Amino acid sequence: QKEVEQNSGPLSVPEGAIASLNCTYSDRVSQSFFWYRQYSGKSPELIMSIYSNGDKEDGRFTAQLNKASQYVSLLIRDSQPSDSATYLCAVNSQGGSEKLVFGKGTKLTVNP
Amino acid sequence: DTEVTQTPKHLVMGMTNKKSLKCEQHMGHRAMYWYKQKAKKPPELMFVYSYEKLSINESVPSRFSPECPNSSLLNLHLHALQPEDSALYLCASSQGSGTQPQHFGDGTRLSIL
Repeated sequence: QKEVEQNSGPLSVPEGAIASLNCTYSDRVSQSFFWYRQYSGKSPELIMSIYSNGDKEDGRFTAQLNKASQYVSLLIRDSQPSDSATYLCAVNSQGGSEKLVFGKGTKLTVNP
Repeated sequence: DTEVTQTPKHLVMGMTNKKSLKCEQHMGHRAMYWYKQKAKKPPELMFVYSYEKLSINESVPSRFSPECPNSSLLNLHLHALQPEDSALYLCASSQGSGTQPQHFGDGTRLSIL
């Protein structure tokens, strides 16, 4: 059973701080890694994709991938109250199939 | 605005009704998906269509019947649903390679009476 684990949270940070969200996965042949943001009652919204080891930055968001450790993370710099949401880590399973395996999500609250 | 459009946004139906959920995308994507999501849980994959052919059925009960009339449209036909089927039903699409991200529609909130 392919698994994706996220720190269960909830995670609470003050406005302006760095929020760090972590994810580990069990399938060594996974190739693609995604972070989705989901506001309460809304659908998941893609915020980051990462495919190779290292860091990928997009605005206030940085995704980090370490395939040797089977670990992917998302850093949110200068956190804003509007970042308060559940963050879902998703990993392509079975190396190239269309199936994504989702973690259970980490609920982030940014306090003003 | 999302590029994957789902209708209706809300649906209330009885256990003996037949209804359909619809999904449309105009991004030229070749893979389309149905997910079910319960509160405080991640999306749960139901079906995958790749190049208009059903490629994955996650052992979904036959009261859910998917249909892909063309590469832009995806339907989910519902019949004799149970109260536990009440959930947010999400459609997604991707370029067709498993390495590409999936883009979600806004979902249909389904309630079974």
